[in-house]
Amino acid sequence: ILNVEQSPQSLHVQEGDSTNFTCSFPSSNFYALHWYRWETAKSPEALFVMTLNGDEKKKGRISATLNTKEGYSYLYIKGSQPEDSATYLCAFPNAGNMLTFGGGTRLMVKP
Amino acid sequence: DSGVTQTPKHLITATGQRVTLRCSPRSGDLSVYWYQQSLDQGLQFLIQYYNGEERAKGNILERFSAQQFPDLHSELNLSSLELGDSALYFCASSFHPGAQNEAFFGQGTRLTVV
Repeated sequence: ILNVEQSPQSLHVQEGDSTNFTCSFPSSNFYALHWYRWETAKSPEALFVMTLNGDEKKKGRISATLNTKEGYSYLYIKGSQPEDSATYLCAFPNAGNMLTFGGGTRLMVKP
Repeated sequence: DSGVTQTPKHLITATGQRVTLRCSPRSGDLSVYWYQQSLDQGLQFLIQYYNGEERAKGNILERFSAQQFPDLHSELNLSSLELGDSALYFCASSFHPGAQNEAFFGQGTRLTVV
């Protein structure tokens, strides 16, 4: 059983705050690390697929970093907005893209 | 809109019954995955198909089965339903079953067994 852990489980921030959360995953048999954003009543939507140690990816105010040697990835949101409220999931794929998901970080941004 | 269509969106059925969940993958995607999210559980992988062939199995119960048809749509069949099968069932698709391919998720089918 693969161990993919996310912390914190939930986070309440004020609009304008910057925030970050962590995903830890096995450092062996690494193929990629996926981040998904899941809004209530919608489908999970891919944010990033990260493949190389030291990778840093950015989409608007959201960015992510990857350390495959120590088995962790950080997701950062700069200047959180209420529309960023969602559950953020990381997922660790095997070679065939079978995803093992972490438990998610539920972010709530108060206006 | 991810391009992945799941029907029905909601399903309420009685214990012991059988249901079929349907998934149409994104146009051009050959790989289909089924995931289950039960209460207090994260998304759990059930089964994967690639171009009509079963590719990988997760912790899928023997009462559950799936297939992928020549037009690439997939169906997940759940039989002898129990209360514990109540969950959100997601279908996802990707062009190819490689780890670097992002998966596109449907909106899910919420199954309630009463």
